[in-house]
Amino acid sequence: DTAVSQTPKYLVTQMGNDKSIKCEQNLGHDTMYWYKQDSKKFLKIMFSYNNKELIINETVPNRFSPKSPDKAHLNLHINSLELGDSAVYFCASSRTGGGYTFGSGTRLTVV
Amino acid sequence: AQKITQTQPGMFVQEKEAVTLDCTYDTSDPSYGLFWYKQPSSGEMIFLIYQGSYDQQNATEGRYSLNFQKARKSANLVISASQLGDSAMYFCAMREGAYNAGNMLTFGGGTRLMVKP
Repeated sequence: DTAVSQTPKYLVTQMGNDKSIKCEQNLGHDTMYWYKQDSKKFLKIMFSYNNKELIINETVPNRFSPKSPDKAHLNLHINSLELGDSAVYFCASSRTGGGYTFGSGTRLTVV
Repeated sequence: AQKITQTQPGMFVQEKEAVTLDCTYDTSDPSYGLFWYKQPSSGEMIFLIYQGSYDQQNATEGRYSLNFQKARKSANLVISASQLGDSAMYFCAMREGAYNAGNMLTFGGGTRLMVKP
């Protein structure tokens, strides 16, 4: 019973390609997030959605586009991938009064 | 300015000993939450412990305790009786404000803990 699941776990792709990472949570949480962890392990917020509505949109290239079809899903689409996009991307979810649950991460490698 | 600072990039501890991982934070909001997460080499983020700004007592969860010193704006994690499986990256994080939709976590740079047998 995975609480926050991300697919795929690993993604290797060439520069210039378009790729998507999917995230689903079965916790009934109302807010979902995308975080990026760089090669130095630093974690930075990218986006936050609450009940399918975009709440936080940090300074992220517009090649990154989140999509939330319903409050249990938050996908991340990346256009025209660049070498610098290589990182681990974490999806997370939270609810009022509760904590934050993270997915297991997607390691994206752009070659 | 950094909102969350972890000054120890790496630490060693002998198995069965206690270890303290430092975390200082910066916020002007009277309501906030402090979290610690563990990230083993397998990569997942594991929640360890939480401290709310209005909590009167330090949080404890098994071998983990949080040494919360509000005036100093510090929230150090104490791991008692270290085990080999405690070797991992540890992240301190803060949520500013009461929990509302979209209040995200801000993370420190992490501390890599290595437990020696």
